Amino acid sequence: GQQVMQIPQYQHVQEGEDFTTYCNSSTTLSNIQWYKQRPGGHPVFLIQLVKSGEVKKQKRLTFQFGEAKKNSSLHITATQTTDVGTYFCAGNQAGTALIFGKGTTLSVSS
Amino acid sequence: NAGVTQTPKFRVLKTGQSMTLLCAQDMNHEYMYWYRQDPGMGLRLIHYSVGEGTTAKGEVPDGYNVSRLKKQNFLLGLESAAPSQTSVYFCASSYTGLPGTDTQYFGPGTRLTVL
Repeated sequence: GQQVMQIPQYQHVQEGEDFTTYCNSSTTLSNIQWYKQRPGGHPVFLIQLVKSGEVKKQKRLTFQFGEAKKNSSLHITATQTTDVGTYFCAGNQAGTALIFGKGTTLSVSS
Repeated sequence: NAGVTQTPKFRVLKTGQSMTLLCAQDMNHEYMYWYRQDPGMGLRLIHYSVGEGTTAKGEVPDGYNVSRLKKQNFLLGLESAAPSQTSVYFCASSYTGLPGTDTQYFGPGTRLTVL
């Protein structure tokens, strides 16, 4: 079946360093979504990418969707302590339920 | 708008007991979902519903039942709880399941412990 894999599982950075998490699918995706879950909280939608090669930015966050629509990445520039949490990618093929990756947990020390 | 709400927030059960988790949304969403989250396992889909009166199995449906009698409510039942069902349960909803309108909105979660 369809699988969505995320790496790394954990990442610790010093405040001000950059951070990247990668998402890979075994099948071509119709779209990919990214969510953030703060410690003790619930997942919150960040962004959706639909087009092949699409790049979107939200302040210090840059999201990319691969040309083959099988992979995606989230890059955070100059991390802050407010970036702490677990970042999930989620993808699906048309007409199927979203499949979530296992997430990347980011910790930031000041 | 309250968004997605879940009751209860916490619950402790003994093995073999039953319970129902309630999820409610006020966004007029068609699709609703139940997930469980365990350390290192991400979010795993238990059951979902594409509309009132419909349900479908997700990735880990065994030991759970669901009902969607009203569009705004999605109930998750455990008939005979087992320690392996100790987890955090999240409900979510989306307008549809189609790209562009399938963003999921999550409730605050229910932390369930089965002794």
